[in-house]
Amino acid sequence: SQQGEEDPQALSIQEGENATMNCSYKTSINNLQWYRQNSGRGLVHLILIRSNEREKHSGRLRVTLDTSKKSSSLLITASRAADTASYFCATMNSGYSTLTFGKGTMLLVSP
Amino acid sequence: AAGVIQSPRHLIKEKRETATLKCYPIPRHDTVYWYQQGPGQDPQFLISFYEKMQSDKGSIPDRFSAQQFSDYHSELNMSSLELGDSALYFCASSQRQGKRADTQYFGPGTRLTVL
Repeated sequence: SQQGEEDPQALSIQEGENATMNCSYKTSINNLQWYRQNSGRGLVHLILIRSNEREKHSGRLRVTLDTSKKSSSLLITASRAADTASYFCATMNSGYSTLTFGKGTMLLVSP
Repeated sequence: AAGVIQSPRHLIKEKRETATLKCYPIPRHDTVYWYQQGPGQDPQFLISFYEKMQSDKGSIPDRFSAQQFSDYHSELNMSSLELGDSALYFCASSQRQGKRADTQYFGPGTRLTVL
């Protein structure tokens, strides 16, 4: 069964706007990670947030984690056309051995 | 910096044929993971190896097998291929420090098309 469910499934914005994607999961986790994938290409690791962290920043990325609600959000500020991609959340299991991916959000940033 | 290498990048096979995908992890990484991503789907974990031993098993069909060799590279062997096996196959590697392996580094993937 799917661990992470993402919302929205697709998001279309203009350059300069902020994009927010949400992810929910079902079981306890050690950490949650966000990945980016350009049109059927490889997965690029963006950011990792541990279960004992609530917020993390990396450049234009801001991730929050609410373990009580089993949810996370990824905010991309001042979006660029080059941010157009699919974004996946993935949860790391308690054994630090497997990643379970969510369905992904397709982000389209128009110039 | 060296990344995960996968070969081939593209592979076309007929139904019922076999295929072998190769993965070369980042140097000094001791753990390899295989994922399958169908069209429009999220990546699904198949199997992983740590120090050449199978570590975890996900949704890997019985027709598939994998192993990790002494040089830490891994091969995914797929037999009796079906149309539904058409997908992007990712390999990822990590370095376990004790039991912790937070970040998996993904290769570019092998796109398998079964006709």
